[in-house]
Amino acid sequence: QVQLVQSGAEVKKPGASVKVSCKAFGYTFTSHDIIWVRQASGQGLEWMGWMNPDNANTGYAQKFQGRVTMTRDTSIRTAYMELSSLSSEDTAVYYCTRGTGSGDILTPNDYWGQGTLVTVSS
Amino acid sequence: ELVMTQSPATLSVSPGDRATLSCRASQSLYNNVAWYQQRPGQAPRLLMYGASTRATGIPARFSGSGSGTEFTLTISSLQSEDFAVYYCQQYYNWPPTFGQGTRLEIK
Repeated sequence: QVQLVQSGAEVKKPGASVKVSCKAFGYTFTSHDIIWVRQASGQGLEWMGWMNPDNANTGYAQKFQGRVTMTRDTSIRTAYMELSSLSSEDTAVYYCTRGTGSGDILTPNDYWGQGTLVTVSS
Repeated sequence: ELVMTQSPATLSVSPGDRATLSCRASQSLYNNVAWYQQRPGQAPRLLMYGASTRATGIPARFSGSGSGTEFTLTISSLQSEDFAVYYCQQYYNWPPTFGQGTRLEIK
């Protein structure tokens, strides 16, 4: 069955970077986009950006432009999201999700990883 | 950025009753709306897409409707596992955006 398995929780200091991984199981990795969504504690969902694992094309929400980088390693079916210049406002659970298709920037998210808690604290 | 406004913020309903959740878009977006359910401590789960198409494995008691700017998620007979937070999402305009959520609680 389709599964997205994310890396474990991280604690970072302000100004540092974090890199979260997302390993895909149960489907052809390059046939579905990967989208990252975050959720601060008790808050709603925030769409961060999109990557086509087939050609590595990406698209980022303007709020994160210049601070986020989404990459992948197709040999191990893993996507990565790196966020730099962290502040306390970046403390959240980060989810990788799968798009319903490939190369479609505007797509719902049909499978979700378990989430990775990133805590930014001095 | 397209704004999605959900109402009510909290809905109290008895098990077995019907629940109706609303989502309004700040501009027309055809039917490019999805609904997600998030239970406490869990990741969200896709319920509906295309405004009215149930995702794989979603029970028939969930239904979606609407087009343009007004969308509705209806749960026909609430089960205990349905008490959760529900989010709508538009994927018509870049970037995709979510509503702020409706908490469905037991009355």
